[in-house]
Amino acid sequence: KAGVTQTPRYLIKTRGQQVTLSCSPISGHRSVSWYQQTPGQGLQFLFEYFSETQRNKGNFPGRFSGRQFSNSRSEMNVSTLELGDSALYLCASSRTGGGSYNSPLHFGNGTRLTVT
Amino acid sequence: DQQVKQNSPSLSVQEGRISILNCDYTNSMFDYFLWYKKYPAEGPTFLISISSIKDKNEDGRFTVFLNKSAKHLSLHIVPSQPGDSAVYFCAAHRETSGSRLTFGEGTQLTVNP
Repeated sequence: KAGVTQTPRYLIKTRGQQVTLSCSPISGHRSVSWYQQTPGQGLQFLFEYFSETQRNKGNFPGRFSGRQFSNSRSEMNVSTLELGDSALYLCASSRTGGGSYNSPLHFGNGTRLTVT
Repeated sequence: DQQVKQNSPSLSVQEGRISILNCDYTNSMFDYFLWYKKYPAEGPTFLISISSIKDKNEDGRFTVFLNKSAKHLSLHIVPSQPGDSAVYFCAAHRETSGSRLTFGEGTQLTVNP
């Protein structure tokens, strides 16, 4: 069974530009969530999509947005990039959504975004 | 507001000995606590979890202990192996919050041969 796939693995962008990251969940998983990891900050929740609807949202500015398609694939968009957006962006999928033992999150290997 | 904290950024132990990773939380509304392991250049991998109504859960070499009165949990790895060297994240979850996990900052475990 293929795992969570994120593309691209690495991205270098300039301040002010916008970027789109892609995530393909595990087959059969309907929940896709996005996390940002920066040094010393752990993983910060961005948002979750379930059946094409945003179900939860973290405390990030409106420049961060996402969407989910009917095949459960998801994209995350960041507009007007700032230097502080440099981070590892992780996508996770689960069958029904939820972090409990019976539906744990399965993470992809992330997209490393560098903003210069 | 850091609701989940891992106060030790790093831990070094000898192969065969016990590794104890600690985590503190402030929100008593969490329903589950989870541990994830992360190798460089890979995403976190689910390791073990515990419900807030339990005080211990065991899976092979890994045991998680929960002390609700102290709002503290710990992960014990016995015996520790060099392949266990990774960053370990503690996370907390509320059933009403979908896939939203609140993570600690992580602890880098190094197991020396």
